[in-house]
Amino acid sequence: NAGVTQTPKFRILKIGQSMTLQCTQDMNHNYMYWYRQDPGMGLKLIYYSVGAGITDKGEVPNGYNVSRSTTEDFPLRLELAAPSQTSVYFCASSYSATGGNPYEQYFGPGTRLTVT
Amino acid sequence: GENVEQHPSTLSVQEGDSAVIKCTYSDSASNYFPWYKQELGKRPQLIIDIRSNVGEKKDQRIAVTLNKTAKHFSLHITETQPEDSAVYFCAASRSTASKLTFGTGTRLQVTL
Repeated sequence: NAGVTQTPKFRILKIGQSMTLQCTQDMNHNYMYWYRQDPGMGLKLIYYSVGAGITDKGEVPNGYNVSRSTTEDFPLRLELAAPSQTSVYFCASSYSATGGNPYEQYFGPGTRLTVT
Repeated sequence: GENVEQHPSTLSVQEGDSAVIKCTYSDSASNYFPWYKQELGKRPQLIIDIRSNVGEKKDQRIAVTLNKTAKHFSLHITETQPEDSAVYFCAASRSTASKLTFGTGTRLQVTL
């Protein structure tokens, strides 16, 4: 299993540009999450999904959108990028009905985004 | 919503000593409390977790204790080693696979 994968690893955006951060998991997890981590800080939840077709806002959703058309994929869309969105973005997934620790969230390697 | 506070923000110990990191939470309905370790430039990884039906859990050199009445939980690392140097995050959530609220992290440095 590759686990949770994210692309790209790094990206520099200009103010006002848009982009999509990709996230894929191959563990057949029902739940997926997007977090951002600002320098020296903890992780803050942006959006999460409890299954295909279902998404909900987290703590800091403004400026972002998500979709969940399949179990495996959970892309995060940034529209009109702003310097305040400079951060490291982590995707995570959890909970498979077929076994394993149902509580554990598995994180992807992260995407480092700079908006200038 | 849930609020998780974590202390200290930095902790320096000598190799072989013990380290303790403490967290408090605000939502009395929270019942799952994981601890994540994040090395520099890497992803967070779960090191230990505890559910509200137990007061203590141990895994080799690490242990977590939970006091639901006081709404706080702690991470204990014994016989620290240089490879324990990292940032540690506590978190809390209400149920299985529910959204986590993270603390702000503790940077642990283990010196020789």
